[in-house]
Amino acid sequence: SQTIHQWPATLVQPVGSPLSLECTVEGTSNPNLYWYRQAAGRGLQLLFYSVGIGQISSEVPQNLSASRPQDRQFILSSKKLLLSDSGFYLCAWSEIRGIYNYGYTFGSGTRLTVV
Amino acid sequence: QKEVEQNSGPLSVPEGAIASLNCTYSDRVSQSFFWYRQYSGKSPELIMSIYSNGDKEDGRFTAQLNKASQYVSLLIRDSQPSDSATYLCAVNFFNRDDKIIFGKGTRLHILP
Repeated sequence: SQTIHQWPATLVQPVGSPLSLECTVEGTSNPNLYWYRQAAGRGLQLLFYSVGIGQISSEVPQNLSASRPQDRQFILSSKKLLLSDSGFYLCAWSEIRGIYNYGYTFGSGTRLTVV
Repeated sequence: QKEVEQNSGPLSVPEGAIASLNCTYSDRVSQSFFWYRQYSGKSPELIMSIYSNGDKEDGRFTAQLNKASQYVSLLIRDSQPSDSATYLCAVNFFNRDDKIIFGKGTRLHILP
């Protein structure tokens, strides 16, 4: 069965510090991978998605970046965090068969607080 | 712009009653529809998916889809306190990116 791992679970970082969040998927190959952010009391905001190694699409211009160095690894990074980067960061994967999307499976999330 | 709309709630339902959650979407060319449940502080969990018009039942949950009206709903029968959560409606708009668009969610509170 497929599993998705995301770490760390919580993170407190000072403004201006770097960030690296990692996500890995097991039990599937060539998944679509996604990074979402959910600010307190807000909806899910798609940040990046990837359909393959080295292929990254950005949804929202900001000081975050993403990379996919391996098929089942997705990394979210920042060189200098801002207060507005605080939120709940979620990695997700999906499988598409034919014309149907079978939904996203989310990791357990990282709660980032920038102080 | 493709959108998914939900009433933010909170929706309060007595224990044992039927909870009805509604969602509308803006694009007729949509293939896949989902309901996610998100407990406070946790990640969303897929609970129902539906792909064709009509009803789909899974235990106490029933998803209903009406593509002509661009409307999808979730019914929860015999509501339990453990059903208290935020429910996210999500739609896959048919495009080559296959992204899913999420509504902002409806907070459901089951009253013991």
